Amino acid sequence: GDSVTQMEGPVTLSEEAFLTINCTYTATGYPSLFWYVQYPGEGLQLLLKATKADDKGSNKGFEATYRKETTSFHLEKGSVQVSDSAVYFCALSDQSGGGADGLTFGKGTHLIIQP
Amino acid sequence: DTAVSQTPKYLVTQMGNDKSIKCEQNLGHDTMYWYKQDSKKFLKIMFSYNNKELIINETVPNRFSPKSPDKAHLNLHINSLELGDSAVYFCASSLAMFSGTGGEKLFFGSGTQLSVL
Repeated sequence: GDSVTQMEGPVTLSEEAFLTINCTYTATGYPSLFWYVQYPGEGLQLLLKATKADDKGSNKGFEATYRKETTSFHLEKGSVQVSDSAVYFCALSDQSGGGADGLTFGKGTHLIIQP
Repeated sequence: DTAVSQTPKYLVTQMGNDKSIKCEQNLGHDTMYWYKQDSKKFLKIMFSYNNKELIINETVPNRFSPKSPDKAHLNLHINSLELGDSAVYFCASSLAMFSGTGGEKLFFGSGTQLSVL
């Protein structure tokens, strides 16, 4: 079955540091890939997505590139801020299963940015 | 207007009780979901309904019973609550069952934090 593996947290960085959160996946079809973010006390929000190989998703300074050869979708940001502190989820949607399958999520990575 | 709303936001109850969590979406979506997020932040799909019809029922104890009175509502009823049921439960909806790219049209509620004492 489909699965998503992302690096264990918490990840603690200083403000303005470079961020990488690793994500790898296994899927039977040609999945779409997503990063979701959960700020403290809030629900999940879609951060960015990529629907095919070599696509780059970007939003709010975050980027992730769909790498089919390494089955990865690592999240990066050049300079993090305290307001980026949240839990980040990598997820996939296997298009062969149709939208009703929802998403397969990784376990989440708690990011803590210190001033 | 909130797109996907679920109530209550917090639910504290004793073991053995029966409780319900309600979810409503005003987006006109056909498909709704329940996800469980455990204490380690791991999200797992529990149920998926399309137009009031159950589509996905993952390995979830039968103490959990979803009810969809209409396609805008998907309620979750839990019987005989156990300590291990403590988690945050998220309702979500998407435009259609075969939306192709799935998650980009997945809208989440703000979650219900269930604590079983």
